[in-house]
Amino acid sequence: AQKITQTQPGMFVQEKEAVTLDCTYDTSDPSYGLFWYKQPSSGEMIFLIYQGSYDQQNATEGRYSLNFQKARKSANLVISASQLGDSAMYFCGYGGFKTIFGAGTRLFVKA
Amino acid sequence: DSGVTQTPKHLITATGQRVTLRCSPRSGDLSVYWYQQSLDQGLQFLIQYYNGEERAKGNILERFSAQQFPDLHSELNLSSLELGDSALYFCASSAESGGRFDEQFFGPGTRLTVL
Repeated sequence: AQKITQTQPGMFVQEKEAVTLDCTYDTSDPSYGLFWYKQPSSGEMIFLIYQGSYDQQNATEGRYSLNFQKARKSANLVISASQLGDSAMYFCGYGGFKTIFGAGTRLFVKA
Repeated sequence: DSGVTQTPKHLITATGQRVTLRCSPRSGDLSVYWYQQSLDQGLQFLIQYYNGEERAKGNILERFSAQQFPDLHSELNLSSLELGDSALYFCASSAESGGRFDEQFFGPGTRLTVL
């Protein structure tokens, strides 16, 4: 069965610094996707970035990049130049036959 | 605004009762997903519908059921409610083109409180 693991329940980062949120997955599907969503305290779910398993290059969207290492089954989210507004819950997800989310990482950005 | 609407925003009911949550997907999106977010279980995938047909099933209890109507809106029915069903229920929609993952656009959620 597919599984997503986020091992960091909470993380602190200084404003303007980069931070990496870890995500590992387990699957036997030949084709799949990995993605990240942000959930601020307001509760909405905001799509950040997507990586397909056959994509040759790591996905980037503005300050967000996905460090995809297929052999290690990891899909870490890198946020560059953190901003106070980045403080939120971040969910890693797996998209295949079913959609599965990890437990989430709460990020705190310090001024 | 994602374009996905959910009603009601808040729902307070008693144990043993039945409720219906409603979701209207973004215009043109054929797929609808339902998720349950609770403090102890995280964000759990419940079920997906594509163009009126059930496509994938996750951790959905037998007391729960869903359907997608011809106009593509979807309803999630929760019956014999228990205290543990208190959660935020999200609906999401996607275009579902070509079998590849499409970004899921989430609605604002329905906060269900079972007393």
